[in-house]
Amino acid sequence: GAGVSQTPSNKVTEKGKYVELRCDPISGHTALYWYRQSLGQGPEFLIYFQGTGAADDSGLPNDRFFAVRPEGSVSTLKIQRTERGDSAVYLCASSLARRGLPFSNQPQHFGDGTRLSIL
Amino acid sequence: KQEVTQIPAALSVPEGENLVLNCSFTDSAIYNLQWFRQDPGKGLTSLLLIQSSQREQTSGRLNASLDKSSGRSTLYIAASQPGDSATYLCACSGAGSYQLTFGKGTKLSVIP
Repeated sequence: GAGVSQTPSNKVTEKGKYVELRCDPISGHTALYWYRQSLGQGPEFLIYFQGTGAADDSGLPNDRFFAVRPEGSVSTLKIQRTERGDSAVYLCASSLARRGLPFSNQPQHFGDGTRLSIL
Repeated sequence: KQEVTQIPAALSVPEGENLVLNCSFTDSAIYNLQWFRQDPGKGLTSLLLIQSSQREQTSGRLNASLDKSSGRSTLYIAASQPGDSATYLCACSGAGSYQLTFGKGTKLSVIP
């Protein structure tokens, strides 16, 4: 597709369950980012991938959160033992930023997000 | 740690007015600053990106300026239309980090 695709668009689950959120970046984009947006707030950074590797995971709130990108394209954000405080919109973005390209002029393009509700 | 502030939190204007949205950031060592638009229940649409070496960028009725030394950016919208109603977010990426730090946004309502 032309844009960043995220599935599912909505996810409702019970506290304590495990969830997986998927992100399909724009074709050819090597950089992929996950953000989390709570109601009335701006998105907050979670993790950044360059290719297959997590280049910066400093935003992950705790060890219940984990993300992978095994083939350098699709990424999955995984949350274990979900808590009510994990309820938010999880946004994925991608960009062309990579070594050898000027980073400063590479915008991040966002998907529509997954709205996660923990009951 | 970078902090981004957007004022006002909400703004209501009549159709046809020109308006300015404000964004301030605490650390001037940025790579770039992006302005986004977010419609209810949707993701973010990139409007303009200003590199740290630039002073402004224009796209149609939108003009964004950047003053790194004072830690400020503005988004100017000319001849506002009801379809401009949305939340506008600014975000900047800092030296040594590709992550974006966002403000909380300004919710704009353009009244027909």
